[in-house]
Amino acid sequence: DTAVSQTPKYLVTQMGNDKSIKCEQNLGHDTMYWYKQDSKKFLKIMFSYNNKELIINETVPNRFSPKSPDKAHLNLHINSLELGDSAVYFCASSPSGGQTQYFGPGTRLLVL
Amino acid sequence: AQSVSQHNHHVILSEAASLELGCNYSYGGTVNLFWYVQYPGQHLQLLLKYFSGDPLVKGIKGFEAEFIKSKFSFNLRKPSVQWSDTAEYFCAVNAGSGGYNKLIFGAGTRLAVHP
Repeated sequence: DTAVSQTPKYLVTQMGNDKSIKCEQNLGHDTMYWYKQDSKKFLKIMFSYNNKELIINETVPNRFSPKSPDKAHLNLHINSLELGDSAVYFCASSPSGGQTQYFGPGTRLLVL
Repeated sequence: AQSVSQHNHHVILSEAASLELGCNYSYGGTVNLFWYVQYPGQHLQLLLKYFSGDPLVKGIKGFEAEFIKSKFSFNLRKPSVQWSDTAEYFCAVNAGSGGYNKLIFGAGTRLAVHP
């Protein structure tokens, strides 16, 4: 069984479009995260939710809007996509109070 | 500001060679340190972690790391690498507070192991 899953795996779209990436975890964790990995493989946290509540927002443009309908899901919606948004986006989860984060397979976004 | 520095960006080794990847962190609080591995085209997997206790931590696949507080270091080691260890390796520190986690990653080290 996949612990942390993301859809889609690949996403190719035009500048200016709006797109969403979905993340689901079946580990029973309370906390979920979004990370962005750029073309140089540098990983940076974007958001974190704990029990559907936003707890970390790392100065991400407001074109990015995370949404957590329940604690097992954390979706990422991106408005008005720009070339610089091209990256691999990783979802992760951890138990509340736990330190270890478990990562999903990533969504490779290419903006043309 | 919290930061993680990985000195080696690319490492090329032959099979059976020994490996040491450097990691230094800058963080004023209680440190929790991690090494993650990313095999080509795959997601990040946890290799090992240090929270407290014995500073020599053993992980999966024969990897180990040593936490040296005085040097702010958490270097990753493996005595004999295999071709299957070819991957990107990331050191990270948990810079969260108030019970919330926030991993700060280093830039990664790309390891290529030749048969």
